[in-house]
Order: sequence, then structure tokens, then C-alpha cells
Amino acid sequence: DIQMTQSPASLSASLGETVTIECRASEDIYNGLAWYQQKPGKSPQLLIYNANSLHTGVPSRFSGSGSGTQYSLKINSLQSEDVASYFCQQYYDYPYTFGAGTKLELK
Amino acid sequence: EVQLQQSGAELVRPGTSVKLSCKVSGDTITAYYMHFVKQRPGQGLEWIGRIDPEDDSTKYAEKFKNKATLTADTSSNTAYLKLSSLTSEDTATYFCTTEYLLLFDYWGQGVMVTVSS
Repeated sequence: DIQMTQSPASLSASLGETVTIECRASEDIYNGLAWYQQKPGKSPQLLIYNANSLHTGVPSRFSGSGSGTQYSLKINSLQSEDVASYFCQQYYDYPYTFGAGTKLELK
Repeated sequence: EVQLQQSGAELVRPGTSVKLSCKVSGDTITAYYMHFVKQRPGQGLEWIGRIDPEDDSTKYAEKFKNKATLTADTSSNTAYLKLSSLTSEDTATYFCTTEYLLLFDYWGQGVMVTVSS
């Protein structure tokens, strides 16, 4: 199985700040990666797919990048509504696997 | 708009089974692969498996092969997840989600399963 190592586990940032979350795959996943946002008590919401494609309706302050085994999610100009947990997921190969998540809080 | 409606919360006894439903509205279920994901309280997401309602083919994560069974009923546009031999480790919220061209953009609201005697 492909292991997804996500960092950091938690992150505290100020409004307007730029934050970056990383995911490392145990092997090349050829951009088969998605990022999700999940707020408490809610379902995950797709932010980014194919490593760098912004899903419909997602604010442009979110962006994804990376290739091979290293991927990142960047949030520019952090807003209060961005407080949530974020997960990466590889869908290059079965079984699809998730990173352990990053909990983003306001400083 | 596509919506996924999952069945209600379950309180079940250890050793028993439970069958969860996920009804698709706004489109035909055969347009998608249907996936199920597990989330234990305060924890991350675990992929359980997926079913292709077109031909009932399935894929499972190894750890769920003897735990989970995915089925689909195209006449009711519904996918099902059956969990067997329940233990406290199965206490979690279970989500269904659609996959279309590798996009997982519709999710059910989640269903909480509590295993307790």
C-alpha cells in the first residue's frame, strides 16, 4: 500500500498569513492526489484534485503543487473560515490512502 | 444537484452486523463509483473500499476485506455498506462519496455507528 505522510499534524496561524501543508507519498503517485477540508461534524469537501487543479467553487487562495512523491497545499491570506482539518488522499493506486490530517487553528 | 443521503445513526451490540445505506439523488448511481470512508472519533480518514454499481465489481482495503461488504441497488439508486462481527474498533462515522473521473466531489452527511453492549 502507498503510505501518505502528512505534516504538520497541527498548525496555528494568524489571519492573513500564508500556510503550507505537506504530503509525502511512499512512492511516485503521478499527481494522483487530492486535498480535502473538513470542519467539525461535517463531511470532507474537495479542494484540489490531480495535485494542482482547483475544484469548482473553491476560493483561489487555495492552491496545490508538487509531483512525484512530494505535494503541498498552500492557503494564501488565511481567513477565519479556513479553520478546519485538512487531509491529502492518493488515488493513483488501490487501496486509496489518506494522510493523517492537519488541524489548522487561528493564533 | 447530486445529493447523497445516508441512513441514520446506529447503536449496535458487539458481534452483530449493521447495514448502512447511501441513496443518490440528482443523478443515476451508475454514473459513479461509490466509495465508503471510515473516521473514528477525533481521528483521520480511512478508505474502506468502492463499488461500481454498473457491474457490482468491488475493491477493498486489505484490513476491511473480512469486515465490510459493499453492494448497490440500481433500482433504488442506493449503495450499501455492511459491517460484520462488530467490535468497539468499528465505532466510527462512515461516509459515502461518489467518484467520477477521479473526482470525489459529492459526500454523504456521514452516519455514526456506536458498538456497545
